[in-house]
Amino acid sequence: VMTQSPLFLPVTLGRPASISCRSSRSLVSSDGNTYLNWYHQRPGHSPRRLIYEVSTRDFRVPDRFSGSGSGTDFTLKINRVEAEDAGVYYCMQGVEWPWTFGQGTKVEVK
Amino acid sequence: QVHLVESGGGVVQPGRSLRLSCVASGFNFGRYALHWVRQAPGKGLEWVAVIWHDGSKKDYGDSVKGRFTISRDNSKNTVYLQMNSLRAEDTAVYYCGRDDYGTFDYWGQGTLVTVSS
Repeated sequence: VMTQSPLFLPVTLGRPASISCRSSRSLVSSDGNTYLNWYHQRPGHSPRRLIYEVSTRDFRVPDRFSGSGSGTDFTLKINRVEAEDAGVYYCMQGVEWPWTFGQGTKVEVK
Repeated sequence: QVHLVESGGGVVQPGRSLRLSCVASGFNFGRYALHWVRQAPGKGLEWVAVIWHDGSKKDYGDSVKGRFTISRDNSKNTVYLQMNSLRAEDTAVYYCGRDDYGTFDYWGQGTLVTVSS
């Protein structure tokens, strides 16, 4: 089970934001990698990948996004929130099937 | 450029069947596992099914096991989701996603399935 907090996060433009994700089991695979991902979804759009393997940023993603954590506790940080960052953020474990998502954190940019 | 394009959604009565397709382009299709993920209106993401790159392994979410079947045709760069005995709770946008070792690196635009009488 993947548990995110908070579920709603109002953020002022230009300020930092942080979302937490906790897994009920370790996400460290037998190959030594940790398969924790972060996705962002805007209304009416498909999810897009932000971060994979805890902290590796997708090549299409600006460097104001960063991921950290280990084992069962993970964090997504946005350095300076921009208007386009509004939407819902999901963490997802890819260490074993069924892959599971957190409930989602809705970010509102003020 | 990688593209995944889903199709086959629509309105269907409870108990009936529907088959979704996801056509891929821009990469070596036969080297990747593909998944289906769905999202009910106003809700979060739910993993549905996965099929190994060569079709040798498949797995399903508990909510669809025994009713849905995933398959693929590597000669057509297409993955399918056969959905039988549909229920109102299967109403969702269905996405296909490419598996790149524990992550979805590409998603399709989704196709909407509405189960209603």
